[in-house]
Amino acid sequence: DTGVSQNPRHKITKRGQNVTFRCDPISEHNRLYWYRQTLGQGPEFLTYFQNEAQLEKSRLLSDRFSAERPKGSFSTLEIQRTEQGDSAMYLCASSLAQGQTYNEQFFGPGTRLTVL
Amino acid sequence: GIQVEQSPPDLILQEGANSTLRCNFSDSVNNLQWFHQNPWGQLINLFYIPSGTKQNGRLSATTVATERYSLLYISSSQTTDSGVYFCAVGVPYKYIFGTGTRLKVLA
Repeated sequence: DTGVSQNPRHKITKRGQNVTFRCDPISEHNRLYWYRQTLGQGPEFLTYFQNEAQLEKSRLLSDRFSAERPKGSFSTLEIQRTEQGDSAMYLCASSLAQGQTYNEQFFGPGTRLTVL
Repeated sequence: GIQVEQSPPDLILQEGANSTLRCNFSDSVNNLQWFHQNPWGQLINLFYIPSGTKQNGRLSATTVATERYSLLYISSSQTTDSGVYFCAVGVPYKYIFGTGTRLKVLA
């Protein structure tokens, strides 16, 4: 068990470009979450997957953002036409849960995005 | 939606001192976690504590779910305890984070 991994760790891009981030959860975990954290703030929820199904999306997730989790394993978060306001740390977390239980989340190291 | 408030927002301690961090939440929650965010941004799990009391070395935590608060105790603080401490409450499909307590421990 190597924990949650995220790639890349850092991304610098120009405004208007598209970027994609990857998250590999702990192997047996069926739930996967994406969060965004800006400077001085706590992480804010973006979206949640149970296996391959995306069950919840925050209003923060505009139509420029899309997330996928094919086959219920790794997940990708894509931002199209990036804006300077997208600059933030993007965090992924996973947990193992059954039914209505909500178990401990484990976070990856994050991807820091800078939009110039 | 549910509100999560942490206090104090900032805390400066001399090494060896004890401290108590508080997390208040406005509605019933499924569970609660405490995290320490290190200077590189990594969130490190401290406690998963929907209710009751847990201890891990110099750290302990208590959650009183019926009164909607949780406390994190740090005893004999060390400079490596510096960083930001977050509580996060679990509601259906997501966790809501508090605004954090920024702790600085001076040598």
